[in-house]
Amino acid sequence: RKEVEQDPGPFNVPEGATVAFNCTYSNSASQSFFWYRQDCRKEPKLLMSVYSSGNEDGRFTAQLNRASQYISLLIRDSKLSDSATYLCVVNSGGYQKVTFGIGTKLQVIP
Amino acid sequence: GAGVSQSPSNKVTEKGKDVELRCDPISGHTALYWYRQRLGQGLEFLIYFQGNSAPDKSGLPSDRFSAERTGESVSTLTIQRTQQEDSAVYLCASSSGTSLYNEQFFGPGTRLTVL
Repeated sequence: RKEVEQDPGPFNVPEGATVAFNCTYSNSASQSFFWYRQDCRKEPKLLMSVYSSGNEDGRFTAQLNRASQYISLLIRDSKLSDSATYLCVVNSGGYQKVTFGIGTKLQVIP
Repeated sequence: GAGVSQSPSNKVTEKGKDVELRCDPISGHTALYWYRQRLGQGLEFLIYFQGNSAPDKSGLPSDRFSAERTGESVSTLTIQRTQQEDSAVYLCASSSGTSLYNEQFFGPGTRLTVL
């Protein structure tokens, strides 16, 4: 089983739609979680960290479910500019080593 | 302020040649990472430095790959006797290394093409 698993998509959604991605992780001792965004042929950039209590940043909401070992990202009112690949990132052991998922590709359609 | 920089931005080499890829992290960042990303694929972890030490080299794909870091700053990834399957974008990232929730800041990558 992969350490971090994501549905690669693509998810094609119309503008204004709400879309959600899940990501599962295998190491129950994982301690920190993130969503990164990667635009085509660009480097990844942090979108948001995912805390135990869940957190929201504008149209984006991240949740952590430790019992089922998954994190989620919800995007409301999708914009064309949200089109990108969303990478799930999990601290997989040790203080600083993190593992990236393969990413979920989102395409927002006019 | 200055972000993570990498050089060269593009490198085309012939099979069998050695290449050196350079990463300049954000000043003061103690943690430094190298990843490889093949076309249309996810990020593949290669190696991680804490200061000048590499506690985790588990991702290096073969003994042709090596990396070093000096002065808790610049890092060099060396690929010896390059093969066509080494063609990829090599990304470097740094973080402050002070908590579990440190953000990794990525450089723009070096696109390596092995002919």
